[in-house]
Amino acid sequence: EAGVTQFPSHSVIEKGQTVTLRCDPISGHDNLYWYRRVMGKEIKFLLHFVKESKQDESGMPNNRFLAERTGGTYSTLKVQPAELEDSGVYFCASSQGTSNEQFFGPGTRLTVL
Amino acid sequence: AQRVTQPEKLLSVFKGAPVELKCNYSYSGSPELFWYVQYSRQRLQLLLRHISRESIKGFTADLNKGETSFHLKKPFAQEEDSAMYYCALRTSGTYKYIFGTGTRLKVLA
Repeated sequence: EAGVTQFPSHSVIEKGQTVTLRCDPISGHDNLYWYRRVMGKEIKFLLHFVKESKQDESGMPNNRFLAERTGGTYSTLKVQPAELEDSGVYFCASSQGTSNEQFFGPGTRLTVL
Repeated sequence: AQRVTQPEKLLSVFKGAPVELKCNYSYSGSPELFWYVQYSRQRLQLLLRHISRESIKGFTADLNKGETSFHLKKPFAQEEDSAMYYCALRTSGTYKYIFGTGTRLKVLA
């Protein structure tokens, strides 16, 4: 089993550009989570999908961020337009049930110049 | 608001010495506490959860509700324990983790 995969591993873009991050959860995991860690701060929750439905998006910072999970499989997180403060590492995690352990992906390091 | 505090950014100990990584939380309800570890160039992985009360790689952690703490301990540190350690809280009825800022543990030879 490959585990949770994320693409790309690194992305460097200029302020104002658009970036789309992708997460493939472990097969069979209905629950998918996005988190991010900005420099020097804690890992913060962004949102939670159950299958294709957004269960909790209370951590999304603003409307420049859009997450989707069409078909309940992989998920994308789009940032449009990107700002300097969006730089950080974006983690995806998945779990079988909501009370089960969350398995994390390797993260995508986003740098906005 | 719920919060997790890890007061030490960096903790250096010598191999064979005891190690304690501190974690305090603020939450008025019944929490679930976890320790996650990230070794160099690897992904975050679960080390311990307080519900299971097990010992992994020689590490233990006891939930102290009176002191709202969940410190991670190991009696004899090994060089391979060097990593970033994150304490996390999950509140009842939610599924998201609330993480602390992490403590980097360096075990010196």
